[in-house]
Amino acid sequence: DAGITQSPRHKVTETGTPVTLRCHQTENHRYMYWYRQDPGHGLRLIHYSYGVKDTDKGEVSDGYSVSRSKTEDFLLTLESATSSQTSVYFCAISDTSGDNEQFFGPGTRLTVL
Amino acid sequence: GDSVTQMEGPVTLSEEAFLTINCTYTATGYPSLFWYVQYPGEGLQLLLKATKADDKGSNKGFEATYRKETTSFHLEKGSVQVSDSAVYFCALSRTGTASKLTFGTGTRLQVTL
Repeated sequence: DAGITQSPRHKVTETGTPVTLRCHQTENHRYMYWYRQDPGHGLRLIHYSYGVKDTDKGEVSDGYSVSRSKTEDFLLTLESATSSQTSVYFCAISDTSGDNEQFFGPGTRLTVL
Repeated sequence: GDSVTQMEGPVTLSEEAFLTINCTYTATGYPSLFWYVQYPGEGLQLLLKATKADDKGSNKGFEATYRKETTSFHLEKGSVQVSDSAVYFCALSRTGTASKLTFGTGTRLQVTL
């Protein structure tokens, strides 16, 4: 299995509080991604990174920011959490662009009350 | 924009039954196509993929053929097992897009004895 960990695995927080989710990889892969999974929507891309300090928005980026200060870590921050951000968040990594497989982490279940 | 449409679930089958999960896509150019599987409480893992028209991806008894003329990538298995119970996602990725995946909404498969 690809070495991807996510922390925390579960989190309950209150509306308006900041939240940071961490994705850590030991594969030295160039690309990293954050997705959210919601019933009826499948997985939707929030942000992705194509290198250290190089990030770009996905289709549902509003309310989220990311940072990648080193190859192995990709942080997702909710500056002020809202109930609509209750979801399961998955990190993924990929070695090269094109048709290469993405490897997924175990997910973080976030509940915003 | 790109999109993937999967058949609605859940799909309930008896063990040893034949499985088909339909997937069609809309995308410019020649995307790569994937099937991912998600077992309960886990992240997604790649099941199979196809990168050009008429390619057949196969793994663990599952197959899917890239049909450009019908923009489809239907998943099939000749004889399902209880252990195949999971959620199956069809996805596409276009070359030059940092391997970003566009997912369908997922199809839950429940196999009973």
